[in-house]
Amino acid sequence: DQQVKQNSPSLSVQEGRISILNCDYTNSMFDYFLWYKKYPAEGPTFLISISSIKDKNEDGRFTVFLNKSAKHLSLHIVPSQPGDSAVYFCAALASGGSYIPTFGRGTSLIVHP
Amino acid sequence: NAGVTQTPKFRVLKTGQSMTLLCAQDMNHEYMYWYRQDPGMGLRLIHYSVGEGTTAKGEVPDGYNVSRLKKQNFLLGLESAAPSQTSVYFCASRSLADTQYFGPGTRLTVL
Repeated sequence: DQQVKQNSPSLSVQEGRISILNCDYTNSMFDYFLWYKKYPAEGPTFLISISSIKDKNEDGRFTVFLNKSAKHLSLHIVPSQPGDSAVYFCAALASGGSYIPTFGRGTSLIVHP
Repeated sequence: NAGVTQTPKFRVLKTGQSMTLLCAQDMNHEYMYWYRQDPGMGLRLIHYSVGEGTTAKGEVPDGYNVSRLKKQNFLLGLESAAPSQTSVYFCASRSLADTQYFGPGTRLTVL
């Protein structure tokens, strides 16, 4: 049973437009959420995170929104660039225990020039 | 500062063979992790370590063993490889107040 779900395996967006990647979770103990970006033949790299005490966190072109009541978070990339083409993983963890993130299956983003 | 490195990058094994994957980090991190990634799947935790000399099981530990004899190294062993262990293996490390840093991965094929 997936505790972290990324229901869109892929997303295609035009350069300059907004990319919205979605993530849902089922475990109410999760209170810290992360997004990782992964290029082919490389390891994932940390992109942005958000704690459950916030509903928004912004870092440059990347913003993560958290809706705790819906157990839903989303990553917005504005404007999208071809270099953003990668697989994006959502991860969640309960901060009070061991640092063991649970990862979603990833969404492959393709940004067309 | 190399970060997290993994050896080897690629390997092909025959069913029943054994091998060890090496993960090394030069950031003095306490925590280290081994994950596997399969097509259409997320990262699944195999084993992890919260410090030198300690290891613990993750979500999918069967068929694997690990050792953390030195703080900077985390070894993943396959005693008798099976085709189901064909995967890309990622190692990660972190300090107490930071996120995980991942290695570049090891692509393993078991025939």
